[in-house]
Amino acid sequence: EAQVTQNPRYLITVTGKKLTVTCSQNMNHEYMSWYRQDPGLGLRQIYYSMNVEVTDKGDVPEGYKVSRKEKRNFPLILESPSPNQTSLYFCATKTGTANTEAFFGQGTRLTVV
Amino acid sequence: AQSVTQLGSHVSVSEGALVLLRCNYSSSVPPYLFWYVQYPNQGLQLLLKYTTGATLVKGINGFEAEFKKSETSFHLTKPSAHMSDAAEYFCAVSEYNQGGKLIFGQGTELSVKP
Repeated sequence: EAQVTQNPRYLITVTGKKLTVTCSQNMNHEYMSWYRQDPGLGLRQIYYSMNVEVTDKGDVPEGYKVSRKEKRNFPLILESPSPNQTSLYFCATKTGTANTEAFFGQGTRLTVV
Repeated sequence: AQSVTQLGSHVSVSEGALVLLRCNYSSSVPPYLFWYVQYPNQGLQLLLKYTTGATLVKGINGFEAEFKKSETSFHLTKPSAHMSDAAEYFCAVSEYNQGGKLIFGQGTELSVKP
């Protein structure tokens, strides 16, 4: 079964404590990305990767890092989380062409206090 | 730059009534357009997409959308709402470069009254 798996699903943390949200896909897609969803703003792209060792900033990259050492994994790292990073995060994967659909993980709800 | 606007952050209909969710896009090139649905506590799921060809696109769960270039619109419709249609709906346009980055509208929450 085609899957995009994110962990954890829910996370409450304190300001400044480094955290990692993992994302793994089994569809052999080259393209992976992270979005954050905020009320009234829809989904906004944080970072994306078009292949292994190739990453680039999306629209809201400040405060985030990513890495792509393997094709199937694309972790999102918050080195010093702040309350304005409280949000719902989604990992997505697709082939690298514009006319194909993206497949989304179940989401990670992050609260930074 | 491409953009998407969804009119109405919240739409409420009665069960059995017509569902109409509005989406307008801005693009300097022929767009690739998508509608996604998000059920509570779940990720986004593709409802339908327009790439080329027929402008009336049919999707899952009885939904369809019509691409109207002259109106820069891609409205989502369903003839008869069901309680299970209650969810948040997102319209998106895909960038030609950057691997097809999706640019989303603000989302429309659909409520269905019994």
